Amino acid sequence: AQSVAQPEDQVNVAEGNPLTVKCTYSVSGNPYLFWYVQYPNRGLQFLLKYITGDNLVKGSYGFEAEFNKSQTSFHLKKPSALVSDSALYFCAVSRGSGGYNKLIFGAGTRLAVHP
Amino acid sequence: GAGVSQTPSNKVTEKGKYVELRCDPISGHTALYWYRQSLGQGPEFLIYFQGTGAADDSGLPNDRFFAVRPEGSVSTLKIQRTERGDSAVYLCASSFRDRGLGIKNNEQFFGPGTRLTVL
Repeated sequence: AQSVAQPEDQVNVAEGNPLTVKCTYSVSGNPYLFWYVQYPNRGLQFLLKYITGDNLVKGSYGFEAEFNKSQTSFHLKKPSALVSDSALYFCAVSRGSGGYNKLIFGAGTRLAVHP
Repeated sequence: GAGVSQTPSNKVTEKGKYVELRCDPISGHTALYWYRQSLGQGPEFLIYFQGTGAADDSGLPNDRFFAVRPEGSVSTLKIQRTERGDSAVYLCASSFRDRGLGIKNNEQFFGPGTRLTVL
C-alpha cells in the first residue's frame, strides 16, 4: 500500500535561515511526488512536483525539493525562510499508473518562521 | 474567477440529515476529485471522475456517500443520514489531461473546501 510519512508535526525556523520539511514515501513502481501548501481558510496550493528527470525540482515561492530514490525521500527545502512561508505543508504521492493520480497525502507539517 | 469553487463554504447540519456539497472545477478540466480532510490530518481520497463517470470510488467510506457529475463539469457530493463522524472539510480538485501523457502526472488544483459540521 502506498503511504507518506511526514515525521515532524512542526518545524520552527528563524527568518533568513534555510528550512527543510521532511517527507518519506512508500509506493510500488515509480512514484509521482508533490508538495502542497495550505494557508488558513484557503485551499491547498501546488508548490512543485517530481515526475522524472533531475532529482532537484524547483517550484513556486523559491521552494525546491530533492528526490532521493535510495532513501525514498522527497524533502522540501528553501535557502532563506520568510515569515510569510508560515503555513501547513503536505507531501503527497501517486502511484504513477492507472492513467490518473489519486493522491495519498501525509499528515502535514506546520512550518513556523519567526522574525 | 478561474479557480475551483465550492459551495457552501460552511455547512452545519443535524445528525441524520441529508447534505449536498457542490464543486465547480476549472473550465476545461476533465478530471475531478473529492477528498476529505479531518482535523489534524492530510486529505483522504474519496472519489475520482473522468468526464461524467466515476472512475474510482474506492475512497467513499460507505453507501451513505454518493457523488455525481452529470454533465462532466459541476459535481455534487451527497451524504445521507449524516453522522457526527462525517464532520470534516470536504475538498474538491480538478486537473487537465495532456493529449500524450494523460493526466497522471498533472497537478491537481484545489478549491477552498466546504467545512461540514454535524451536530
